[in-house]
Amino acid sequence: EDKVVQSPLSLVVHEGDTVTLNCSYEVTNFRSLLWYKQEKKAPTFLFMLTSSGIEKKSGRLSSILDKKELFSILNITATQTGDSAIYLCAVVPNTGNQFYFGTGTSLTVIP
Amino acid sequence: NAGVTQTPKFQVLKTGQSMTLQCAQDMNHNSMYWYRQDPGMGLRLIYYSASEGTTDKGEVPNGYNVSRLNKREFSLRLESAAPSQTSVYFCASSEPTGVDPEAFFGQGTRLTVV
Repeated sequence: EDKVVQSPLSLVVHEGDTVTLNCSYEVTNFRSLLWYKQEKKAPTFLFMLTSSGIEKKSGRLSSILDKKELFSILNITATQTGDSAIYLCAVVPNTGNQFYFGTGTSLTVIP
Repeated sequence: NAGVTQTPKFQVLKTGQSMTLQCAQDMNHNSMYWYRQDPGMGLRLIYYSASEGTTDKGEVPNGYNVSRLNKREFSLRLESAAPSQTSVYFCASSEPTGVDPEAFFGQGTRLTVV
């Protein structure tokens, strides 16, 4: 059965801390892994990863994929209160049309 | 820049009532999805439509029906609402086999069944 597992489920940090969010997957015919940030409303797209070892970076956020060990991490450095959100990981297989979402990691950044 | 539009944003139903959630996308995507999101459960797929004229069950289809009216529109119907269907519902669309397969989401419908 295809599945995506995220850890930790929730995290509380202070502003300025660095956090690492984890996403492991067991999905047949892997095509790509997506990270989303969800604040109060709809998830918004952050990164798409398809190749192992190539870091994607956007400001203080970065992500990398390990297709051998079947996981991805999302790093946020120098966290700010605006980073407080649920971070969702999803895997897209080559076949079919479904996205497999993890349960998300709820990040709270306190001043 | 409409993207994915879903209506209504909020709804309160009594047990047993019916309603339809509407969703439309203007990105010419073939695939559309309905998810529900509950605390600690992530996004769970209710139904999806790979292309116009086709629909398939997802992880949690019971109590729901869908219609892919045309390429733009994908509606979700609750025939007889139950308190267990209290949730936030998201519609999404994507082009999974395209260069950028990411899903684009509507703003969500917060449904309460009392």
